[in-house]
Amino acid sequence: KNQVEQSPQSLIILEGKNCTLQCNYTVSPFSNLRWYKQDTGRGPVSLTIMTFSENTKSNGRYTATLDADTKQSSLHITASQLSDSASYICVVSDWGSQGNLIFGKGTKLSVKP
Amino acid sequence: SQTIHQWPATLVQPVGSPLSLECTVEGTSNPNLYWYRQAAGRGLQLLFYSVGIGQISSEVPQNLSASRPQDRQFILSSKKLLLSDSGFYLCAWRTGVSYGYTFGSGTRLTVV
Repeated sequence: KNQVEQSPQSLIILEGKNCTLQCNYTVSPFSNLRWYKQDTGRGPVSLTIMTFSENTKSNGRYTATLDADTKQSSLHITASQLSDSASYICVVSDWGSQGNLIFGKGTKLSVKP
Repeated sequence: SQTIHQWPATLVQPVGSPLSLECTVEGTSNPNLYWYRQAAGRGLQLLFYSVGIGQISSEVPQNLSASRPQDRQFILSSKKLLLSDSGFYLCAWRTGVSYGYTFGSGTRLTVV
């Protein structure tokens, strides 16, 4: 069964600190993996997208890694800011004709001053 | 540039009332369109997707329906809402050659 598991479920960090969010998946055949940021009450916004051959991708203070062999991904946030408080969702796409998306439940990050 | 519009942003409806949520896309043609629902504490669940006008695929059996009367318009409907229909509804689109999905801003539906 195609699944995407994220950990931790929630995380509280102090402003300026770094953090790493984890994503494990069992989706097969694998097409690509995305990390989205979702502010409360808003739609998800794409941060990074990686295909099978890519193992790291950065977007400002966000760096995503992908290990297609172990089917794991991480999202590292550097020098966190209060505006980073949001849910971070890992989404994996298979190679089906519609590129079906399998969503993780997200990690809720709270950055405190 | 491509944009996606979704409305209303919030909606409170009584049980048994009808529903119509609208999503429109600008700046692209022949997009794949999607309706997702996000329940509290759960991941996004695909409800419907459409690859063209009048073409609707349903992922989850329920009392909701979708229609695509125009190329860039996607509508989510219900004839009689249930309490369990409460949730956060998201419209999304992508073009056939793009990996990227773009989401709308969402509609918070509360059925009372």
